Amino acid sequence: GENVEQHPSTLSVQEGDSAVIKCTYSDSASNYFPWYKQELGKRPQLIIDIRSNVGEKKDQRIAVTLNKTAKHFSLHITETQPEDSAVYFCAASRDSSASKIIFGSGTRLSIRP
Amino acid sequence: DGGITQSPKYLFRKEGQNVTLSCEQNLNHDAMYWYRQDPGQGLRLIYYSQIVNDFQKGDIAEGYSVSREKKESFPLTVTSAQKNPTAFYLCASSIVSEHGYTFGSGTRLTVV
Repeated sequence: GENVEQHPSTLSVQEGDSAVIKCTYSDSASNYFPWYKQELGKRPQLIIDIRSNVGEKKDQRIAVTLNKTAKHFSLHITETQPEDSAVYFCAASRDSSASKIIFGSGTRLSIRP
Repeated sequence: DGGITQSPKYLFRKEGQNVTLSCEQNLNHDAMYWYRQDPGQGLRLIYYSQIVNDFQKGDIAEGYSVSREKKESFPLTVTSAQKNPTAFYLCASSIVSEHGYTFGSGTRLTVV
């Protein structure tokens, strides 16, 4: 079945530096790739998503890139701030009414002051 | 609470008991999902439902059961057959054609 692998599992960066989280997927039919942020004790929330007809998408300090050929996609956070500390999940799904989202195992991002 | 409500927030179960976790949404979403979250393992899909009176097994359905008698409600029963039920359970809903999930705030189940 579909598998999504996510790396690294933990990441610590200095405040103001950039953070990059990488994911690979196995199902070549996947064409929707959301990213979720889960702060401690809270529910996951969608922060950005990308569809397979787009190679890159940006929203302020957050960007996601997609390489369909290599079946990998990445989350980039620039100018990191303390409030970026959280667990981030990548995910993938097919764009059909019977689809379901498969999540990666998560990356715990810590921002050092 | 974001339109999707899970209750209770904390639940304790004795060995051999069945317990039911509630998930209710008022977002008019067709699809609803149950995920289990364990440390270091991300979110694993237990069951999902795209329409009333229909549901599908996810990756780890053994020891769990669900029902979808109403569009708004998708309760999850953790049965005594689930050998390691202690976990954080998240319910989500979505518009089928749009995929973006809205998550509930979760139920933390502990076996005592």
